[in-house]
Amino acid sequence: DAGVIQSPRHEVTEMGQEVTLRCKPISGHNSLFWYRQTMMRGLELLIYFNNNVPIDDSGMPEDRFSAKMPNASFSTLKIQPSEPRDSAVYFCASSLGGEAFFGQGTRLTVV
Amino acid sequence: GDSVTQMEGPVTLSEEAFLTINCTYTATGYPSLFWYVQYPGEGLQLLLKATKADDKGSNKGFEATYRKETTSFHLEKGSVQVSDSAVYFCALNNAGGTSYGKLTFGQGTILTVHP
Repeated sequence: DAGVIQSPRHEVTEMGQEVTLRCKPISGHNSLFWYRQTMMRGLELLIYFNNNVPIDDSGMPEDRFSAKMPNASFSTLKIQPSEPRDSAVYFCASSLGGEAFFGQGTRLTVV
Repeated sequence: GDSVTQMEGPVTLSEEAFLTINCTYTATGYPSLFWYVQYPGEGLQLLLKATKADDKGSNKGFEATYRKETTSFHLEKGSVQVSDSAVYFCALNNAGGTSYGKLTFGQGTILTVHP
């Protein structure tokens, strides 16, 4: 298996623009997680899904953030409008109930 | 709720030195415990795990033993290499609840190994 695949790897956008991050989990995994990593806050869980259903989105910072999982093989994290403080590395991870497997991350820079 | 506490970093060692990174946890039930490693510019990779008390996880010369009596899962390596320089995260998965595999992470410990 190719592992968890995220795209793009790097994204630079202007403040106010919409940003969409994409994730393909490992085939057969039934849980998917979105994390954000910054120097100041460390690793934060934003939202997670089980069987494509959002279970806990309490970590989503604001209404500007939204996440979807239309099917078992694809998820998106959208930020609209983006702000400079959203600059971070965003990780997607998937799991079958045990350890989670992480993607390489998307480094987002909002200028 | 569940929580994980790691020793304060960063940790700086010379090559071939002994490494210990402390990790303690608070959780209900019987969690599984993990160490993840993050190399510069990469995602987190599972380093080792232990699923029940007294289990020892090991990989690449690293070891950690699940100590339920002290609620600890300290990471150790007898002789570190420059290539071990990375950020190390302790984590737990409280499979006894409806966690769906959600991991609770510690804050991470930066390890730098000098030649």
